[in-house]
Amino acid sequence: QSALTQPASVSGSPGQSITISCTGTSSDVGGYDYVSWYQQHPGKAPKLMIYDVTNRPSGVSNRFSGSKSGNTASLTISGLQAEDEADYYCSSYTVTTTKGVVFGGGTKLTVL
Amino acid sequence: QVQLQESGPGLVKPSETLSLTCTVSGGSINSDTYYWGWIRQPPGKGLEWIGNIFYSGSTFYNPSLKSRVTISIDTSKTQFSLKLGSVTAADTAVYYCASGLFDSKRTWGQGTLVTVSS
Repeated sequence: QSALTQPASVSGSPGQSITISCTGTSSDVGGYDYVSWYQQHPGKAPKLMIYDVTNRPSGVSNRFSGSKSGNTASLTISGLQAEDEADYYCSSYTVTTTKGVVFGGGTKLTVL
Repeated sequence: QVQLQESGPGLVKPSETLSLTCTVSGGSINSDTYYWGWIRQPPGKGLEWIGNIFYSGSTFYNPSLKSRVTISIDTSKTQFSLKLGSVTAADTAVYYCASGLFDSKRTWGQGTLVTVSS
C-alpha cells in the first residue's frame, strides 16, 4: 500500500474557497467510492468530515464537500473560516493482497 | 454515543511487544455494522492505518505491519486490543483506536503516545 498523494500545504483568506487534492490509483481512489476526509487540529484526534466521497456526517458544516474524478479525490471548503485552519487527511479503501485502508500524507491548511 | 478510551504503557523497550487496549462505552461492541480499528501517527507525521477487527473476530491488517500485528476483541469486556511485536524507535507514535465503517471512522479515542526507548 503506497500512501495517497496530497499537497503539503494550501492557504486561503477568510471567505474564500480552497480545494485539496488526493491522488491514488485504480486500486484505491479510482476503484471504489470509499474516500474519506479527516480534519485534525494540533494535539487532537482526527475528525471525520466526508465519507464515501461526498457524504457528510451529521454535524459537519455544509461548507465542506467532496468529489472524485478518476484516481483523484478532492475536498473543497467554501467560505473559509479561521477555525478551518488544520491538517487534512484523505483516506481510501484499497484492495491489494487483501482489503485495507490507505491514508494520504496530509495537507496543512493555513487561513491567512 | 460510542466513546473510546485507549490504555496501556507509554514506554516500551526496543524488541519488546507494544500492547494497548481500547475500552468501548456508550454502545455495543457486537455491532454487525461497525468495525473497530487502530491508527497511529508518529510525532509530526501523518496517519497510518494499522488494522481493523469486526465483532466476529475477523481481522484485516496493513500489509507493511501484518507480520508483527495482532488485533483481538473481547466482547464480554467491551474491549479490543492491539499487540505490535519487535518494536523499534520507528514505532514511536500516538496510537488511536477508532470505530465506524471499514474505511471511515466516525468515532476516535483521544490517542495515547507510546515511546519506544531503552
